[in-house]
Amino acid sequence: AQTVTQSQPEMSVQEAETVTLSCTYDTSESNYYLFWYKQPPSRQMILVIRQEAYKQQNATENRFSVNFQKAAKSFSLKISDSQLGDTAMYFCAFMNTQGGSEKLVFGKGMKLTVNP
Amino acid sequence: DVKVTQSSRYLVKRTGEKVFLECVQDMDHENMFWYRQDPGLGLRLIYFSYDVKMKEKGDIPEGYSVSREKKERFSLILESASTNQTSMYLCASSFYSGGAKDGYTFGSGTRLTVV
Repeated sequence: AQTVTQSQPEMSVQEAETVTLSCTYDTSESNYYLFWYKQPPSRQMILVIRQEAYKQQNATENRFSVNFQKAAKSFSLKISDSQLGDTAMYFCAFMNTQGGSEKLVFGKGMKLTVNP
Repeated sequence: DVKVTQSSRYLVKRTGEKVFLECVQDMDHENMFWYRQDPGLGLRLIYFSYDVKMKEKGDIPEGYSVSREKKERFSLILESASTNQTSMYLCASSFYSGGAKDGYTFGSGTRLTVV
């Protein structure tokens, strides 16, 4: 079974600084997808960024980028120029599409606080 | 915008009651999911469905059942609510073979308290 580990339960950062959230995963599959979701206090889960395992290029979405290290099974999220609105729970998630299954397996989450 | 609507934002029920959590999506998604979210445990999959009347167990199905009579609606049923089922429940949906491309669309969650 796949597992996703987020070892840092909580972090804080000053506004405008850069912060990196770590995530590791375990799988024997070669083709899969990785995601970062954000859950602000409103509770609405929002997709931040996704990475396809067969693509070597790291995904980027505006201020959000990932460092995907397939051999190390590591998938960290970098947030540049942190904003107060980035305060949220962040979840790393894994999806194995073998056999048509598209279940997301989530890590335990990390609470990020951006301070003014 | 794709919308996944959960009927209740907050719910308080008594131990032993039968509880229905409703989820409706309006984008013709084939896949629907129920997760449970607890602090320090992340999201854990309870049940999912790929089609009408089809269901599969997730990682923690004990004490729960589901119903999908129509494509847009996926109900989670607590047959006899217990205090250890106090939690946040999240519903999600996606197109078949679209989850990898687009991820899931989530509802806003139902915070259930069993007293």
